[in-house]
Amino acid sequence: NAGVTQTPKFQVLKTGQSMTLQCAQDMNHEYMSWYRQDPGMGLRLIHYSVGAGITDQGEVPNGYNVSRSTTEDFPLRLLSAAPSQTSVYFCASSFRGAGSPLHFGNGTRLTVT
Amino acid sequence: DAKTTQPPSMDCAEGRAANLPCNHSTISGNEYVYWYRQIHSQGPQYIIHGLKNNETNEMASLIITEDRKSSTLILPHATLRDTAVYYCIVRGPPLYNTDKLIFGTGTRLQVFP
Repeated sequence: NAGVTQTPKFQVLKTGQSMTLQCAQDMNHEYMSWYRQDPGMGLRLIHYSVGAGITDQGEVPNGYNVSRSTTEDFPLRLLSAAPSQTSVYFCASSFRGAGSPLHFGNGTRLTVT
Repeated sequence: DAKTTQPPSMDCAEGRAANLPCNHSTISGNEYVYWYRQIHSQGPQYIIHGLKNNETNEMASLIITEDRKSSTLILPHATLRDTAVYYCIVRGPPLYNTDKLIFGTGTRLQVFP
């Protein structure tokens, strides 16, 4: 049981490049989400999904795309990276329902130069 | 906006109890209170959650006021390893396709020798 797996752990991009941050979970969780955390700040919700084929925007969705074609995977796409997207990105998953704790991945540290 | 408010920072002497407060004055009757913590830049770690009754596990205790408008996370014997940022959030049952979990900025707990 691997839990929530994020790849890569580190990434450096140049401004304007695109990339996909991967997130996979093996717990059959319906709910998956992406957060970003800037230095010294809290977690901000980017996008979330309550099941395959269903996604919605969080607090800071601009510049990011997501899709949910399977229950297990929830990739986050940066179409044209900007220095303002330099951050640590966390993926989280859980069962739906009020009594279900979130499980977090170990994060992807992204630097955009 | 986060549904909870927490003090930005607290100190605690090693071996003493750390009491971390959280206000959630707009909480609904079917929303749970959750606590997570984040050590350095690791992925947040689930600690405990509760609905109405006080809860205890091997990590901490959660005390929820009778009106449910606030709660306190108690670390009974704080150690240096408990130095972290602690987040309090609320989570209700999913409504249709919405399940937006917003974290605030948390409380930075510093445990000192």
